[in-house]
Amino acid sequence: GAVVSQHPSWVICKSGTSVKIECRSLDFQATTMFWYRQFPKQSLMLMATSNEGSKATYEQGVEKDKFLINHASLTLSTLTVTSAHPEDSSFYICSARTSGAPTQYFGPGTRLLVL
Amino acid sequence: AQSVAQPEDQVNVAEGNPLTVKCTYSVSGNPYLFWYVQYPNRGLQFLLKYITGDNLVKGSYGFEAEFNKSQTSFHLKKPSALVSDSALYFCAVRDWTGFQKLVFGTGTRLLVSP
Repeated sequence: GAVVSQHPSWVICKSGTSVKIECRSLDFQATTMFWYRQFPKQSLMLMATSNEGSKATYEQGVEKDKFLINHASLTLSTLTVTSAHPEDSSFYICSARTSGAPTQYFGPGTRLLVL
Repeated sequence: AQSVAQPEDQVNVAEGNPLTVKCTYSVSGNPYLFWYVQYPNRGLQFLLKYITGDNLVKGSYGFEAEFNKSQTSFHLKKPSALVSDSALYFCAVRDWTGFQKLVFGTGTRLLVSP
């Protein structure tokens, strides 16, 4: 089946630093990738969507300068949380879909803790 | 706008009993419906989908879902629950606008007791 990986699975950083999270599709071409944020005991909140080689489209209320998304290839997307603050602590999940296919596949998630 | 409702925050069932997790949807256009499961501190795992065809869809781990167009429902079912089925379940529908993202329900926590 389609596999999506994320790295790292856990990250702890100091306030003010930047953190990069990688999302890779291992056995399919991810023409579209999605980044979600999930707070405890809540549903997923879509942050942004990107097509390979194009700029990401951010959901309303998501700061594009704070959450930098790069989808440079058909197998890799990165989310960089810039100048992280404690309120950015959350569970970040990426998802990928290939062109023409109906199903989105999700990565295992990255837990970010900003101290 | 597309939307999904999961009316139950939690469903409790005894091991070996049948389980149902409810989902209703609202969509413009053909409904593409999905069920995902999330275990603690993990991403979402795809269980099954309805695109077209038979209303009863079979998926992973013995789960199935029944698409009911007249009731706009897509309930998740399993004939015999396992303790290991305890997890958070999300129903989703495809939004046909823009990037065709998934619109998720709020999730239902399934607790299967021994």
